[in-house]
Amino acid sequence: DGGITQSPKYLFRKEGQNVTLSCEQNLNHDAMYWYRQDPGQGLRLIYYSQIVNDFQKGDIAEGYSVSREKKESFPLTVTSAQKNPTAFYLCASSIAAPSYEQYFGPGTRLTVT
Amino acid sequence: ELKVEQNPLFLSMQEGKNYTIYCNYSTTSDRLYWYRQDPGKSLESLFVLLSNGAVKQEGRLMASLDTKARLSTLHITAAVHDLSATYFCAVRMDSNYQLIWGAGTKLIIKP
Repeated sequence: DGGITQSPKYLFRKEGQNVTLSCEQNLNHDAMYWYRQDPGQGLRLIYYSQIVNDFQKGDIAEGYSVSREKKESFPLTVTSAQKNPTAFYLCASSIAAPSYEQYFGPGTRLTVT
Repeated sequence: ELKVEQNPLFLSMQEGKNYTIYCNYSTTSDRLYWYRQDPGKSLESLFVLLSNGAVKQEGRLMASLDTKARLSTLHITAAVHDLSATYFCAVRMDSNYQLIWGAGTKLIIKP
């Protein structure tokens, strides 16, 4: 079955530690995205990548880093520089024209104490 | 700057009633999306609207797009409890792959 997987589902970390969230897709999509969602809020774009070895900052990139070494994988690292990292993190990928529809993974809920 | 506004942000309604969620956006765009999110879950794509006058229906939900008015509507017919969720609209920026998201409409349907 084609889809997007994110792991882990829940992640707990101590303040000051970096943590990497995994996102893998087997949909053969070129574009991938990372969003952050806080309780009761909408989605905010962290980073996106339109092609392997290239990515762009979204609206809230500070304190985060990404890599895109393979088409299938787009991991997100939450660094200790991120002031309030506790949130629900969603990875998505999108098909090409004409719709550019985005498909979402199940999400990772990160709690930092 | 492209902005997307949804209203209402919260809607509580009785089963069997009809209602409409509105999504306004501030500049031209050629693609509008509706997603559903259940509590604690990820987002599920409902509709992709690609042109002016586009109308799509799935069960009790119908979405339409008026690009001249920069307005999309999500109409719920004879609501049932299972439609309780948060509904997001998003608009694609013409210049790149980004979507600009509305704040979401939390819909509660009471039996």
